[in-house]
Amino acid sequence: AQSVAQPEDQVNVAEGNPLTVKCTYSVSGNPYLFWYVQYPNRGLQFLLKYITGDNLVKGSYGFEAEFNKSQTSFHLKKPSALVSDSALYFCAVRDPYQTGANNLFFGTGTRLTVIP
Amino acid sequence: DAGVIQSPRHEVTEMGQEVTLRCKPISGHNSLFWYRQTMMRGLELLIYFNNNVPIDDSGMPEDRFSAKMPNASFSTLKIQPSEPRDSAVYFCASSAYGGSGNTIYFGEGSWLTVV
Repeated sequence: AQSVAQPEDQVNVAEGNPLTVKCTYSVSGNPYLFWYVQYPNRGLQFLLKYITGDNLVKGSYGFEAEFNKSQTSFHLKKPSALVSDSALYFCAVRDPYQTGANNLFFGTGTRLTVIP
Repeated sequence: DAGVIQSPRHEVTEMGQEVTLRCKPISGHNSLFWYRQTMMRGLELLIYFNNNVPIDDSGMPEDRFSAKMPNASFSTLKIQPSEPRDSAVYFCASSAYGGSGNTIYFGEGSWLTVV
C-alpha cells in the first residue's frame, strides 16, 4: 500500500525567511513523488516531481524539494518566502511498481502562510 | 496550450436535482481523473479512466454518482439525485498514460452547492 503524510496542517513563516513544508511517504518500491500548490478558489498546480536521478529537484516559483530515501521524506523548500507563496500545498506519491495504476495518492495538505 | 477545461465553474442546485459536470482533458492525454475536495475529507479520487475505459471507480460514493468518457476529449460526472452532502469542489485532471512519472494536470474545478 502506498501513502503520504504531511505532518503539519499549518506552517507560518515570515516573509524573506526560508520555508519548509514536510512530507513523508510509504511505498513498496522506489517512489515517484510530486508537489502541488493550490491557491484560493483554484485548481491544483504542479510544482515539481522526483522520478529518478539527483535527489534535489528544482521546480516552479523558486521551490525545490529533496528526496531522502533513508528518511522516506520529500520536503518542499524555498530559500526566501514571499507573501504570494501563501497557499495550500499537497505532496503526492505514486508507486511505479503497481502495474496499470497511474493514480497519485495525495497527502492532506499543508496551509502555508507567509507573514509580511 | 489549453489546460484541463471544466464546466460549469459554479453550480447551485436544489436537493434532488440532477447535476452534470463536464470535463475536456488536455489534448493527447489518455488518462482522466475525477477528484472531490471537501474540508472534512480533503482530496478524494472518485474514478479514473485510461483510454476511455474506467479503471478504478472504488472512490465513487454511491450509486447516485456515475461517470462516463464517451471519447478521448470529453468526460462527465453525474449526480442523480443530488444531496446537500454532495456539496464540494469537483476536479477533473488528466495525464499521459504509459509512464509512471507522468504528471497529472488539474482543471480549475467545479464548485457545487446543493441546497
